[in-house]
Amino acid sequence: DQQVKQNSPSLSVQEGRISILNCDYTNSMFDYFLWYKKYPAEGPTFLISISSIKDKNEDGRFTVFLNKSAKHLSLHIVPSQPGDSAVYFCAACRSGGGGSQGNLIFGKGTKLSVKP
Amino acid sequence: KAGVTQTPRYLIKTRGQQVTLSCSPISGHRSVSWYQQTPGQGLQFLFEYFSETQRNKGNFPGRFSGRQFSNSRSEMNVSTLELGDSALYLCASSIDPPNDTQYFGPGTRLTVL
Repeated sequence: DQQVKQNSPSLSVQEGRISILNCDYTNSMFDYFLWYKKYPAEGPTFLISISSIKDKNEDGRFTVFLNKSAKHLSLHIVPSQPGDSAVYFCAACRSGGGGSQGNLIFGKGTKLSVKP
Repeated sequence: KAGVTQTPRYLIKTRGQQVTLSCSPISGHRSVSWYQQTPGQGLQFLFEYFSETQRNKGNFPGRFSGRQFSNSRSEMNVSTLELGDSALYLCASSIDPPNDTQYFGPGTRLTVL
């Protein structure tokens, strides 16, 4: 049973346009969500996170939106750049007030290609 | 600050052997988690250590084990290697609590022949 789903395995966007990556989750106990970017043969690089007490968090060109009622989050990249081409992973956990217990549940990833 | 470091970066073993992977967390981070990444299963949680204690464990067989030292460095061990253990093994560290953001190392690419 996949608790975190990224239904689009790939996404292609033109440079300068908006990239929207989507993620759905099923476990209502998740209260902390993260996006990571990953290049081949490297570890995931943390991009941005959001706590369930918020519905939006912004960091430069990256914005994450959380819709708790729909159990859906999305990552917006504006404007998209060729260097953003990578696999993007959505992850979720239960922070429980005492730490996440280290167990991030990852989606399968979406491969973003930004074309010049 | 230096990031999470993992050694070795690449490893080739044969079936039946055992292997030990090492992870040094970011300075000040006390929580270390291990993940396995394979093309078919994606990133899957193995276990997490905090203050030298295993605090959480994923759904992997007992051949996978780990430990954490007093300086927060961690090792994971896989015994009786199988072909299916070929994967990228990732270590992540976090301050814990209350910051749950995990920062990943570059991984160890294990190939089992």
